[in-house]
Formats: sequence, structure tokens, C-alpha cells
Amino acid sequence: RKEVEQDPGPFNVPEGATVAFNCTYSNSASQSFFWYRQDCRKEPKLLMSVYSSGNEDGRFTAQLNRASQYISLLIRDSKLSDSATYLCVVPPSENTDKLIFGTGTRLQVFP
Amino acid sequence: EPEVTQTPSHQVTQMGQEVILRCVPISNHLYFYWYRQILGQKVEFLVSFYNNEISEKSEIFDDQFSVERPDGSNFTLKIRSTKLEDSAMYFCASRRDRSNQPQHFGDGTRLSIL
Repeated sequence: RKEVEQDPGPFNVPEGATVAFNCTYSNSASQSFFWYRQDCRKEPKLLMSVYSSGNEDGRFTAQLNRASQYISLLIRDSKLSDSATYLCVVPPSENTDKLIFGTGTRLQVFP
Repeated sequence: EPEVTQTPSHQVTQMGQEVILRCVPISNHLYFYWYRQILGQKVEFLVSFYNNEISEKSEIFDDQFSVERPDGSNFTLKIRSTKLEDSAMYFCASRRDRSNQPQHFGDGTRLSIL
């Protein structure tokens, strides 16, 4: 099983749609979870951290299921500017600094 | 908002030459990182650096690579004898501490080896 696995997409959705991305991770010792966003040929930018109870930031909702080692990101009311690649990022444990990135899920929002 | 800055934005180098990529982390950050992303592939960890020494490195970070914090602001990645497969985007990142603080990334240096 890959350390961090994502559906590569692309997801093509109309403006205003709701879209959900999934991510699974292999290391049960992982304690921190993040969603980053990456535009084409740009740096990853933190979108949100994922907390145990799930968390919401405007149109974005992240959820964590530790038992299934599964993380999700929900985007409501998609905007054209949401078009990007969404990266699931998981440090393997609290004893390491390195981030393990998924391959990313590409989202294309069309008018 | 403070940023991680990287120079140059694009570096073109002949195979076998040495290259130094530069980064200025956010000023109150103590942990520093290099990652790379080969075109079309995922972001990969190279090395982490704290208290003037390497704290962790990946298998990619072999003897051709080195990092240095020569003064209080810069953090550099040196590739001693570049290979074609070193062509990638190189991202520097920093964070203030390890208490669930996220890593903040610079906008990268595109390295092209000819």
C-alpha cells in the first residue's frame, strides 16, 4: 500500500458544484494531516490542517477517519479559482519532520 | 504575510556542474526543509535541518547533495555534480516549531540540467 494514496482525477465540475476528494494513508502512527493546494508549476500552499473531529473553513470541510486511515476534503459551491491540484499530506509520525505527499487530485471547475 | 523566498527562480546548468540553490526562510522559523518535484510527479522530501545540522534525509539525498546555513538568514542546497535526473522543481520550506505547525513553502527553483 502506498504511504499516501489519492485518486489523481481529473475531476471536471461546473461552477457551484460540490466535490469531494479522498485520501488514504498507510502509517497508523501518523498524527497530523494536511491538505495543500498546488497550482500548475507553483509551490504547494497550505489549504487546511485536518483535526480529529473534522473541521470547516468557509466552503472547505476536512474529515479524518483514523480507524480507516482515510481523510477527505469537501469543497462546496466550487469557484473557477478552485481549479488546482489538491495534495493530501501526511507526516509518517510525530518523530519525523518529513512530509509525505500524495500524487494529488486535479480539479477543473468550468463555467 | 511573511514568505519563504527562493533564488534563482530558474537555473540552467550543464551536467556535471555544481549548483547552489538559495532560500531565505521566514525569519522566526527554526526548522528548514528541501523538497523536490520532478515534472509530473509528486513532491518528495529531501532533507530537514535544525540547529545547524541535518535532522533527517531521504535516500535521494546522497553524497552529491549538501545543505548549509551560512549566516542567520540563508539556507542553501548544493548539488556537487549535477545529473540529468536532477532536473526538477526544488522547494524550500520552513516552520516555526514542531507542534503541529505546518510547513510553509517557497515558490521554488526550477533546475534544468542540460
